Amino acid sequence: EVQLVESGGGLVQPGGSLKLSCAASGFTFSGSAMHWVRQASGKGLEWVARIRTHVSSYATLYSASVKGRFFISRDDSSDTAYLQLNSLTTEDTAVYYCARGVFGEFPLGYWGHGTLVTVSS
Amino acid sequence: DIQMTQSPATLSASVGDRVTITCRASQSIGIWLAWYQQKPGKAPKVLIYKASTLGSEVPSRFSGSGSETEFTLIIRSLQPDDFATYFCQQYHSPSYTFGQGTRLEIK
Repeated sequence: EVQLVESGGGLVQPGGSLKLSCAASGFTFSGSAMHWVRQASGKGLEWVARIRTHVSSYATLYSASVKGRFFISRDDSSDTAYLQLNSLTTEDTAVYYCARGVFGEFPLGYWGHGTLVTVSS
Repeated sequence: DIQMTQSPATLSASVGDRVTITCRASQSIGIWLAWYQQKPGKAPKVLIYKASTLGSEVPSRFSGSGSETEFTLIIRSLQPDDFATYFCQQYHSPSYTFGQGTRLEIK
């Protein structure tokens, strides 16, 4: 069974940093691109970042709203994906989900339960 | 970025009704569109991908259609479990944008 378990969320001050983790199991992690998607409370979904596999040189991609502040990475030896959040603003407050595609990169067929990031002074 | 405009924002319906949700892309995305269902406090679940392909274990009362810029999700014979929020997502090109969502509520 595919499982994605996020952790690392919490309360952080504006301008601060946080590193989220996504522990994967039940599939060949090294062969799967991984994504982060976020959702502010009561709002819609926003795709945030994607990292490809070693075959694609771990290519990364970011949404315009986080580019240059957030960094996605992965450790295939521990089946874990990460999202480093820097220069946080209140607009980054959201539940952050990690996800992977059903076939290839999309659609996003497997999701974690999410981890809440709250940016507040 | 491609903008996805979803309508209506809220939809009131009764068990047994047939409902239609529309998603419009700001430019052609071919058939690279997915529909997701989300219930409060839960992660989204994929219902439809490639505009019209039913996801695994998704009931056949759900169907999707469309291409290029106009897409629809139809739910036939609404069941109590279907009252949730629905999102479309284009995966033709970054930033893989979602629609704003349609909240389907019980009339």
